[in-house]
Amino acid sequence: QKEVEQNSGPLSVPEGAIASLNCTYSDRGSQSFFWYRQYSGKSPELIMFIYSNGDKEDGRFTAQLNKASQYVSLLIRDSQPSDSATYLCAVNKQGGSEKLVFGKGTKLTVNP
Amino acid sequence: GAVVSQHPSRVICKSGTSVKIECRSLDFQATTMFWYRQFPKQSLMLMATSNEGSKATYEQGVEKDKFLINHASLTLSTLTVTSAHPEDSSFYICSAGVSKNTIYFGEGSWLTVV
Repeated sequence: QKEVEQNSGPLSVPEGAIASLNCTYSDRGSQSFFWYRQYSGKSPELIMFIYSNGDKEDGRFTAQLNKASQYVSLLIRDSQPSDSATYLCAVNKQGGSEKLVFGKGTKLTVNP
Repeated sequence: GAVVSQHPSRVICKSGTSVKIECRSLDFQATTMFWYRQFPKQSLMLMATSNEGSKATYEQGVEKDKFLINHASLTLSTLTVTSAHPEDSSFYICSAGVSKNTIYFGEGSWLTVV
């Protein structure tokens, strides 16, 4: 089983819709979970992190964490064409370190 | 602005030569930095952990003699790809954490070996 798994997509949503991105992880010792956005040819940009069960909201973005199910998701409300990118889920390796393990990413396209 | 800076952003080198990539933390000190590699349409793969003042820790399968890492100060880590070959062509990215939950990536360095 891969350490971090994501549906590679592509995921296509119309402008203004909610985009839902999912991620599962295998290491129950993981403490923090991150969502990064990566535009083609560019470095990842941190969107947000979450470490407690439940929801965490930041603007149009909501991260959801369920440690019992080893599942983390990202919702993007009012999707914009500029949100079109690859979204990477990452978890801390070895508990609370800054070393991250990444999923393969989900490519999101928001159609005008 | 960027909190982690990489240089160069793009480099082309001849097969068999060495190339150095720098990673700097701006406005904060980083005792630990991380080097990742990303091939086209694939995810980031951790190569090694750069430790200030001590040897780097390499992930399984990464050749430490080929990818030399030096972390000589609290704001600078360098990755040197030695005896580069075309298969080393990739996007190399470093990261550093302001805190364990606030981890930033450099802009990345595209290496092309011809």
